[in-house]
Amino acid sequence: AQSVTQLDSHVSVSEGTPVLLRCNYSSSYSPSLFWYVQHPNKGLQLLLKYTSAATLVKGINGFEAEFKKSETSFHLTKPSAHMSDAAEYFCVVSVGNFGNEKLTFGTGTRLTIIP
Amino acid sequence: NAGVTQTPKFQVLKTGQSMTLQCAQDMNHEYMSWYRQDPGMGLRLIHYSVGAGITDQGEVPNGYNVSRSTTEDFPLRLLSAAPSQTSVYFCASSPRDQPQHFGDGTRLSIL
Repeated sequence: AQSVTQLDSHVSVSEGTPVLLRCNYSSSYSPSLFWYVQHPNKGLQLLLKYTSAATLVKGINGFEAEFKKSETSFHLTKPSAHMSDAAEYFCVVSVGNFGNEKLTFGTGTRLTIIP
Repeated sequence: NAGVTQTPKFQVLKTGQSMTLQCAQDMNHEYMSWYRQDPGMGLRLIHYSVGAGITDQGEVPNGYNVSRSTTEDFPLRLLSAAPSQTSVYFCASSPRDQPQHFGDGTRLSIL
């Protein structure tokens, strides 16, 4: 069965410093992977997606993620954190038989930005 | 274009009551899904649909029913509410092979 593991439940960084949110996946074949962000009391917004076209994926708001098959990782990075980045981030894998009709979520990483 | 609309936004029920959470999308998406979000557990799939008239169970389907009579609507029914169903519920939709779009959620408390 496919799954994702987010290695940190909480990450704190200072404003202007790099962000690294770690995600490992488990899959018997090349998966479709996503990062979603959830701001307090809001729904989920797609940051970026990997679907085997390119291993380095650029998303919205300056975020990017690199798919590393040898390490089974899909870590999310941003060069310089902004106060508005404070939110919960979810690493997600598609597990559907037809496409993306079924998703499995990681347990989330709460990102805190220190002024 | 309203996207994915969930109603109500908040609801309090008593144990044993039934209710329906509404989800509608105006993007003509094939796929629709219901998830529940509990602290420390991410989102878990309750039921999903790959088209009108087709539904299937996800990871945590017990206590919930769904139907998909139209492409636009995918209601979630709680048959007899239990305190363990206190959660935030999210509906999502997507075209085939595209990422899912999420609604703003329904916060449900069962007393």
